[in-house]
Amino acid sequence: QIQLVQSGSEVKKPGASVRVSCRISGYTFTNKGISWVRQAPGQGLEWMGWISGSPGSATYHPKFQDRVTLTTDPSTSTAYMEMRSLRSDDTAVYYCARASISTGQSPLDYWGQGTLVTVSS
Amino acid sequence: ETVLTQSPATVSLSPGDRAILSCRANQSAGDHVSWYQHKPGQAPRLLIFDSSNRAPGIPARFSGSGSGTDFTLTISSLAPEDFALYFCHQRINWPPTFGGGTKVEFK
Repeated sequence: QIQLVQSGSEVKKPGASVRVSCRISGYTFTNKGISWVRQAPGQGLEWMGWISGSPGSATYHPKFQDRVTLTTDPSTSTAYMEMRSLRSDDTAVYYCARASISTGQSPLDYWGQGTLVTVSS
Repeated sequence: ETVLTQSPATVSLSPGDRAILSCRANQSAGDHVSWYQHKPGQAPRLLIFDSSNRAPGIPARFSGSGSGTDFTLTISSLAPEDFALYFCHQRINWPPTFGGGTKVEFK
């Protein structure tokens, strides 16, 4: 079955960077792209960006363009989201989700379990 | 960006009841709205895509309708496992956005 398994919780200090991984199984990694979505405490979901399965080109929400980098490693069927210059308001659960069609503007048909990133001094 | 407003924020119902959840957009989203179910500690689950298409494996009691700015998710007869958070998502306007969610809770 299709699974997206994310890395574990992280605690970071303001100004630090974090990298969250999302390992895919159950389908050919390069056939589908991955979107990243976050949910801060008490807030709604926020779409951050999308990366294609191949050749790994990314599209970003303007809000995150300068601080987020999405990458993939097809050899391990893993997608990564790196965020730099963390602030306290980046505290959130971060999700990876499979895009059912080959665009960032896609329904998201399978999701990871989420990774809690806490930013605190 | 497109703002999606879901109502009500919370609805209290009993198993067997019909649930009608609303998602309103501040600009046209065509028919490109999806609905998801989210339970605590679990991954969100796609229910409906492009307004009215059930995702594979989703029971027929879930249906979606609407176009333009007004969308509805209907659960015809609530099963015990349907008590959860539901949120809508539009993909046609840049950037993609999500609604704030409706919680379906036990009455």
